[in-house]
Amino acid sequence: AQSVAQPEDQVNVAEGNPLTVKCTYSVSGNPYLFWYVQYPNRGLQFLLKYITGDNLVKGSYGFEAEFNKSQTSFHLKKPSALVSDSALYFCAVRDRSSGSARQLTFGSGTQLTVLP
Amino acid sequence: EPEVTQTPSHQVTQMGQEVILRCVPISNHLYFYWYRQILGQKVEFLVSFYNNEISEKSEIFDDQFSVERPDGSNFTLKIRSTKLEDSAMYFCASRGGGTDTQYFGPGTRLTVL
Repeated sequence: AQSVAQPEDQVNVAEGNPLTVKCTYSVSGNPYLFWYVQYPNRGLQFLLKYITGDNLVKGSYGFEAEFNKSQTSFHLKKPSALVSDSALYFCAVRDRSSGSARQLTFGSGTQLTVLP
Repeated sequence: EPEVTQTPSHQVTQMGQEVILRCVPISNHLYFYWYRQILGQKVEFLVSFYNNEISEKSEIFDDQFSVERPDGSNFTLKIRSTKLEDSAMYFCASRGGGTDTQYFGPGTRLTVL
């Protein structure tokens, strides 16, 4: 069975500082990894994904994530946080060996607050 | 940019009543999903749908739940007899063929009284 852990319920960072939102995963095979963001009263918006190739993945709004196979991690990063980045962030995984449905397993979410 | 839409945004119902949650996936997508998120908990997979049939379902998706694609644009989730524990945010998602990225709707908040 696959699982995702987001160890921090809440992350606070000052505007302009770098931010990191942590994610670790567990799958039986090789993972496909995703980050989604949820703004208030909005759906989950896709940010970026890791499928294969370069371990550093760049996504929307200046976010990036680093896949680390030995640490089974996929932390979300941004060099300089904006107040508008404040939202709920979800990490998700799909086991490559899963069937054609390709359903995602989500973490519990991390609330990011960027302080002005 | 195409989006997944869901209606209603909030549904309040009495325990034991039937509810139908509606979704309009992105038009050229082939795979459709329902997930739910109970307040304060994880987003959980319910069911996936492809080629007019269920392709995967979770343990949560019991006989009280059903899905349907009644026409070329809508995708619905029906809960036959709602329970208090069905109160949650329900998300619809869709995916095109040949990609792993699912696109989510804004969700329907279901409150069962």
